[in-house]
Amino acid sequence: GAVVSQHPSRVICKSGTSVKIECRSLDFQATTMFWYRQFPKQSLMLMATSNEGSKATYEQGVEKDKFLINHASLTLSTLTVTSAHPEDSSFYICSARDWGNQPQHFGDGTRLSIL
Amino acid sequence: DAKTTQPNSMESNEEEPVHLPCNHSTISGTDYIHWYRQLPSQGPEYVIHGLTSNVNNRMASLAIAEDRKSSTLILHRATLRDAAVYYCILKPMYSGGGADGLTFGKGTHLIIQP
Repeated sequence: GAVVSQHPSRVICKSGTSVKIECRSLDFQATTMFWYRQFPKQSLMLMATSNEGSKATYEQGVEKDKFLINHASLTLSTLTVTSAHPEDSSFYICSARDWGNQPQHFGDGTRLSIL
Repeated sequence: DAKTTQPNSMESNEEEPVHLPCNHSTISGTDYIHWYRQLPSQGPEYVIHGLTSNVNNRMASLAIAEDRKSSTLILHRATLRDAAVYYCILKPMYSGGGADGLTFGKGTHLIIQP
């Protein structure tokens, strides 16, 4: 149980393109979903937290107008990287949990490469 | 946020037990101790968590010191598939707003020798 599916697994696109990443909880309802970013040889950094039906809460230094998060249902959250540039190239990972102090369950990540 | 300290790397042999330490001397009374691991090019995977008592599940055991200032993740019989970065993370029991995400440190890179 507790499977989180993330799609696509890899994106390569030109600078200026907007990219949408989907995160789905397959067998549970995710009241809260999280988006992380991981640069090479570094640890995961939390970007934002989203609760279903509410606006996302962004961490300091993360541009909310650049990284658009939608969490319209209890099983789907999307992250859109708008007008992506080479410095946005990274490994983006989502996670989800159902309630309270339950563990987070992570997707397999999306490797984004902007040329 | 209370921080954790882990060794950068550890090496073990296949089919032997592995003890991964974590120090968290500034832990508060309501912090849970969570362990996750990340295999290469994958998202993290939940391993185990606990508050005060030792915990066991199918993946591992978690031994928590009586003063809760340290803990040890125990893999009873390591396999090559256990080679990963292991993260020890403190998570408050009560959190709200944007304080619910996990703060990942550098973790311990576990190397398993065949």
